[in-house]
Amino acid sequence: QVQLVQSGAEVRKPGASIKISCKAFGYTFTTYYTHWVRQAPGQGLEWMGMINPSGGATDFAQKFLGRVTMTRDTSTNTVYMELSSLRSEDTAVYYCAREAYNSSTEDSEGRFDYWGQGTLVTVSA
Amino acid sequence: DIVMTQSPDSLAVSLGERATINCKSSHSVLYSSNNNNYLGWYQQKPGQPPKLLIYWASTRESGVPDRFSGSGSGTDFTLTISSLQAADVAVYYCQQYYSTPFTFGGGTKVEIK
Repeated sequence: QVQLVQSGAEVRKPGASIKISCKAFGYTFTTYYTHWVRQAPGQGLEWMGMINPSGGATDFAQKFLGRVTMTRDTSTNTVYMELSSLRSEDTAVYYCAREAYNSSTEDSEGRFDYWGQGTLVTVSA
Repeated sequence: DIVMTQSPDSLAVSLGERATINCKSSHSVLYSSNNNNYLGWYQQKPGQPPKLLIYWASTRESGVPDRFSGSGSGTDFTLTISSLQAADVAVYYCQQYYSTPFTFGGGTKVEIK
């Protein structure tokens, strides 16, 4: 069955970087875009960006430009999200999510049909 | 960026009663070439990732109970829970996937009265 399994919780000091992994199971990895969404404690959902695992193309929210990198390893069906220059406001649960794909139309359809379990990143001195 | 505005922020509904959540987008999310509204609804329970309930504004995801329904078009959308169950206590989010950044509403917390 489809699963997205993320790496475990992390603690970092301000100014450091974090790299989170999201390993895909149960589907053709390169067919489906992967997105990253974060959620600060007690807050709503914030879209960070996406990667096309097929060619590696990315699209990021303006807010994270210059600080975020998304990569993928097709040999292990894993997507990575790296965030640099961490500050306390980056403390959040980070989720990866799969974008739905319609095999009849051969088109990605935007909605997020599967999510990872989340990775808590704590930024604290 | 398309701004998504949900209302109310929270609501308390008696078991078996109807719950209605509204979502308004700052730009139409109706794609004229296919007549689809690029709008989804998610349910999030504490400690869990969001779960897709509704897509194309009104299509229920597989396995979602039929007490959940979505309606609306263009810029104004509604999620309705026809008969609230205890299992429906959660925060609900709308999301537009018409254009990146794929923005979410601020969330509506649904509780039992």
